[in-house]
Amino acid sequence: KQEVTQIPAALSVPEGENLVLNCSFTDSAIYNLQWFRQDPGKGLTSLLLIQSSQREQTSGRLNASLDKSSGRSTLYIAASQPGDSATYLCAVDSWGKLQFGAGTQVVVTP
Amino acid sequence: EAEVAQSPRYKITEKSQAVAFWCDPISGHATLYWYRQILGQGPELLVQFQDESVVDDSQLPKDRFSAERLKGVDSTLKIQPAELGDSAMYLCASSLGQTGVDEQFFGPGTRLTVL
Repeated sequence: KQEVTQIPAALSVPEGENLVLNCSFTDSAIYNLQWFRQDPGKGLTSLLLIQSSQREQTSGRLNASLDKSSGRSTLYIAASQPGDSATYLCAVDSWGKLQFGAGTQVVVTP
Repeated sequence: EAEVAQSPRYKITEKSQAVAFWCDPISGHATLYWYRQILGQGPELLVQFQDESVVDDSQLPKDRFSAERLKGVDSTLKIQPAELGDSAMYLCASSLGQTGVDEQFFGPGTRLTVL
């Protein structure tokens, strides 16, 4: 059974600092990996999707890498802003089903 | 920009009552998903539709939960009777085609509180 872990569970950084969020998964037989953002009490906003054949994906200040062999993905957010404060979840698509981590709650302080 | 619509946004009910949630996916999306998210956890898939057919409902508590997508467009998730442990966020998502290839887009969710 696929298990997805996100460490740390919570993170606080000062504005301007780069954010590094980690996601690990136990089964490397995946189709893709997706990163989401969730604001309190709201739905999920898709940030990046990395296909299993890709090593990384970039969108603006966001960059996500994927290392299937080691079962890891990292989301980098450059020059963090208070508006980046949210919970970030990774989800792995394996066997046709998305398995989510519990998320990393990020607070960016002005 | 096309979005997944859900209603209601919030629902408060007493245990043993029936509740229903509605989802309208992005136009043209063949695959529709219902997830349940307990506070502090990631979403868990309840049911997946491909057009009007159920693809996966292995995690749906079928004694009290039911889901339908009669015309392959919008969908309804029902709970009868509701229990205290059903309090959670219920999220609907859709994707263009098959899983493993296409990005999933989520709606704003329905927050259910069972008293």
